[in-house]
Amino acid sequence: DAGVIQSPRHEVTEMGQEVTLRCKPISGHNSLFWYRQTMMRGLELLIYFNNNVPIDDSGMPEDRFSAKMPNASFSTLKIQPSEPRDSAVYFCASSLEYDQPQHFGDGTRLSIL
Amino acid sequence: AQKVTQAQTEISVVEKEDVTLDCVYETRDTTYYLFWYKQPPSGELVFLIRRNSFDEQNEISGRYSWNFQKSTSSFNFTITASQVVDSAVYFCALRSYNTDKLIFGTGTRLQVFP
Repeated sequence: DAGVIQSPRHEVTEMGQEVTLRCKPISGHNSLFWYRQTMMRGLELLIYFNNNVPIDDSGMPEDRFSAKMPNASFSTLKIQPSEPRDSAVYFCASSLEYDQPQHFGDGTRLSIL
Repeated sequence: AQKVTQAQTEISVVEKEDVTLDCVYETRDTTYYLFWYKQPPSGELVFLIRRNSFDEQNEISGRYSWNFQKSTSSFNFTITASQVVDSAVYFCALRSYNTDKLIFGTGTRLQVFP
């Protein structure tokens, strides 16, 4: 079975550009999570969806960040405009039920120059 | 407030040594779930185990074992006869029964030398 699929794996772009990260959760999973990992702050939950509805976006750092889940098989995390401090690894994860483990994608390594 | 503490930032051992990674958690909930994840140098996060708060039985899976003690709010992870492939960052995480939100510890970097 396919796991969580993220794209791109790596992204290098200049400050001010729009960045879109994509995620396809495991089929049948009804919760989807976006995390950011940095050396300074570790793993931070940015936002999560349940049945395509955003439940908690308190971790989204600024209005420059937005996330959507238009259907059960696709989500995007957008940064506009991007800044160098947004450089991090962004993970998407999905889970079946609230008490089930989250399964992570391979992450997107984002570098903003 | 919920919190997960992994006091060991980095551990180095020689192959075949046993090693224990500590995890201490804080929660006011009576029902909660605990997890361990492994992040190898390649970067992905791999789920290892889930434990619910009502199940204090220790678990063994091959060289891996987990010791859950509610009395001390700890969920420690032991690798027996460590191998170089065990080198990774290991994260402990906590989730309350009524939320999907995972609270991660800061991780323990394990280096196993040949």
